[in-house]
Amino acid sequence: QSALTQPPSVSGSPGQSVTISCTGTSSDVGSYNRVSWYQKPPGTAPKLMISEVSSRPSGVPDRFSGSKSGNTASLTISGLQAEDEADYYCSSYVSSNTVLFGGGTKLTVL
Amino acid sequence: QLQLQESGPGLVKPSETLSLTCTVSGGSISSSSHYWGWIRQPPGKGLEWIGSIYYSGSTSYCPSLKSRVTISVDTSKSHFSLRLSSVTAADTAVYYCARHAWVKGFDPWGQGTLVTVSS
Repeated sequence: QSALTQPPSVSGSPGQSVTISCTGTSSDVGSYNRVSWYQKPPGTAPKLMISEVSSRPSGVPDRFSGSKSGNTASLTISGLQAEDEADYYCSSYVSSNTVLFGGGTKLTVL
Repeated sequence: QLQLQESGPGLVKPSETLSLTCTVSGGSISSSSHYWGWIRQPPGKGLEWIGSIYYSGSTSYCPSLKSRVTISVDTSKSHFSLRLSSVTAADTAVYYCARHAWVKGFDPWGQGTLVTVSS
């Protein structure tokens, strides 16, 4: 099983929107609506931002949204803020109760 | 609120077995809705799922690590444990534990613990 494919880095200015993609296959992202997104600032534990493709856990700002088309899931952050600067990881359920993570994307707020 | 805390040696010799424990507080490890998982992050690399366990003892492991991994649970002590055998430098990583729902993902996470494999 190969990791899900994410762009190594994205950037945007405060107030702008950025989208991070997460590409898998028909065996993972394409088959299940079980894609999650995690925010991980340096030196801290990951935090769940999106589950089930597009659901926001309590306390997550509505600036964060998720979607999926075919084998690719996406995380969009609108109204970018300096505090959003972090690494972002996607994950997907895979058949037979296994999980794959993406390689991670470094978000830089310019 | 639910909290998880990893504990164990920070240094392990090559070929030996890495052992970590995750203690769950503020909630029940015997939840019928959740598994409990281990995830790691090698220095400069991404997250890798290691495996997950249900309170009954049912386990699922990452296929590439399955031959070396054992995850166990002790509900009486409200903790679950990871054992990774025959470690090499490639197993050096920050190891996290987290509550795991197959549909909703991993939430919350422990703070993580760095394990270095070196002689």
